Amino acid sequence: QQPVQSPQAVILREGEDAVINCSSSKALYSVHWYRQKHGEAPVFLMILLKGGEQKGHEKISASFNEKKQQSSLYLTASQLSYSGTYFCGTAILSSGSARQLTFGSGTQLTVLP
Amino acid sequence: DAGVIQSPRHEVTEMGQEVTLRCKPISGHDYLFWYRQTMMRGLELLIYFNNNVPIDDSGMPEDRFSAKMPNASFSTLKIQPSEPRDSAVYFCASSYDSRGSYGYTFGSGTRLTVV
Repeated sequence: QQPVQSPQAVILREGEDAVINCSSSKALYSVHWYRQKHGEAPVFLMILLKGGEQKGHEKISASFNEKKQQSSLYLTASQLSYSGTYFCGTAILSSGSARQLTFGSGTQLTVLP
Repeated sequence: DAGVIQSPRHEVTEMGQEVTLRCKPISGHDYLFWYRQTMMRGLELLIYFNNNVPIDDSGMPEDRFSAKMPNASFSTLKIQPSEPRDSAVYFCASSYDSRGSYGYTFGSGTRLTVV
């Protein structure tokens, strides 16, 4: 039930864009995105609850394709502070109710000056 | 609010010893989750509580692991006896609901090393 994230790692120069993908084999109720810096706790970025919903957080936005059971995180004009590991967390629909979050394996993003 | 508070931040213990990890969730959050993070397995859900009642403990690896939530402001995760393969970072998180409609808030974690 663990969602699959891609790519596993990406290296960018400051100002470049990146896309991180998250896909599930199960019908999804919601998708969360978190960022974790080295030695710290994961920090909530955003949640997507509806199919096709797009949300934004500064220059970081995300979309949710309910039919394909996929979500993508878009980082535009990346900054040094964006470096970290990004996790998607998915809540699946089970017996008509949503379940707790299961996290993907993470995407390590490194932004270089 | 001070956020989710975990203690200790670091724990080093010898194999066979008992280890107790502690967590104070955010006031008003009805759900509390214990996750374990390792390089090999990522973030794994161990157990979660709703209003102090354990709901799903299917992620608890063995009988050596136990968790309690005696009241709304305190939870413990105990490992007895501890083994080297239990070495990991253990996170506690809390939320208004199980699916985290407003996000999960994680504590700073406890880095456990069993030697």
